[in-house]
Amino acid sequence: KNQVEQSPQSLIILEGKNCTLQCNYTVSPFSNLRWYKQDTGRGPVSLTIMTFSENTKSNGRYTATLDADTKQSSLHITASQLSDSASYICVVKCDKVIFGPGTSLSVIP
Amino acid sequence: DTAVSQTPKYLVTQMGNDKSIKCEQNLGHDTMYWYKQDSKKFLKIMFSYNNKELIINETVPNRFSPKSPDKAHLNLHINSLELGDSAVYFCASSQDRHFSEKLFFGSGTQLSVL
Repeated sequence: KNQVEQSPQSLIILEGKNCTLQCNYTVSPFSNLRWYKQDTGRGPVSLTIMTFSENTKSNGRYTATLDADTKQSSLHITASQLSDSASYICVVKCDKVIFGPGTSLSVIP
Repeated sequence: DTAVSQTPKYLVTQMGNDKSIKCEQNLGHDTMYWYKQDSKKFLKIMFSYNNKELIINETVPNRFSPKSPDKAHLNLHINSLELGDSAVYFCASSQDRHFSEKLFFGSGTQLSVL
């Protein structure tokens, strides 16, 4: 069964701290994996895309990794800011697009 | 300029009513989508149109009917609204139909059925 799981479900961190969000998937055949950021009251916005051959990709303070063997991806946020408070959604493409449930991140001062 | 715009932002209505949500994209994309986000924040695809042609129609009650007058517009009409239809509905677009390209989402329409 094609499935995408994310952990933790929610996370609270202090401003300036780092954090890592996890995405595990069981989809076949794997095509690509995207991380989206969804601010409250807004639609999701793509942060990065990972393909089979890519291990690491950075977008500013966001760094995504992909381990195709273990079928895991992580999103690392460095030096968090209040504006990082949002839901982060992992989306995996096989023959269809599978959305994860998201991780709700709250950055507090 | 807003890339994907949908209206209204909020929609409150009584059970049994018929309502429509409009969506427009100015990105020149070929493919448009409707997604439903429930209270648990799961995003589920409902419909997808490519150049005005329906290509994805997930298991959605036939009370929901999408209409695409041209490739820049995809509207969603809902008949006989039920309490369970309450959710946030997102319109999105992508360059092509193969999901290789990233999705551009609208800001969502929060539908509340009373």
